[in-house]
Amino acid sequence: GAVVSQHPSRVICKSGTSVKIECRSLDFQATTMFWYRQFPKQSLMLMATSNEGSKATYEQGVEKDKFLINHASLTLSTLTVTSAHPEDSSFYICSAYDRGVGETQYFGPGTRLLVL
Amino acid sequence: DAKTTQPNSMESNEEEPVHLPCNHSTISGTDYIHWYRQLPSQGPEYVIHGLTSNVNNRMASLAIAEDRKSSTLILHRATLRDAAVYYCILSAPYNQGGKLIFGQGTELSVKP
Repeated sequence: GAVVSQHPSRVICKSGTSVKIECRSLDFQATTMFWYRQFPKQSLMLMATSNEGSKATYEQGVEKDKFLINHASLTLSTLTVTSAHPEDSSFYICSAYDRGVGETQYFGPGTRLLVL
Repeated sequence: DAKTTQPNSMESNEEEPVHLPCNHSTISGTDYIHWYRQLPSQGPEYVIHGLTSNVNNRMASLAIAEDRKSSTLILHRATLRDAAVYYCILSAPYNQGGKLIFGQGTELSVKP
């Protein structure tokens, strides 16, 4: 099946710094990628839809100036958490549609962010 | 987005079949039914999806009610590696911007 990777797998940063998380589709082209956040013992929460070559669409309640999304190519989307604070500590997961397959989304392994 | 209802948890015995139910009474005509599962500290894994007809793949079977208001994920022989949270999700088709909105899912435990 299609493979989605994320980098880094885990990151620790100081409060007030910015952190960039990469999501790559390794063996397929993804015009659409999604970003999720998951807190402990909770389900995944969709943050935004990332479309190649256009602006991301954010879900209600997600601050677009805090969570910057760039989808510059058909295989790479990045999420930047700007001025991170301890409450931003979470598990961030991306997914992508393999447009050659259609209805199946493939998920990355996730990035664990800890803000001190 | 249409919602689904799943039991919070289920238990099964190893090597026995498992039937995971999902109710989705507000499903629309174009909604796909997706099942994903997630192990702790990992991203979700695709299991199966369907629209109207029952579906089989190497991982599982999906049985869809005739009125599409409910579905059942069937694991034919549960193994310890099948212990996970299983999510039943409805979404619009991919070409209509289909998004996956996760509910709480069913936590499946498998006893040896």
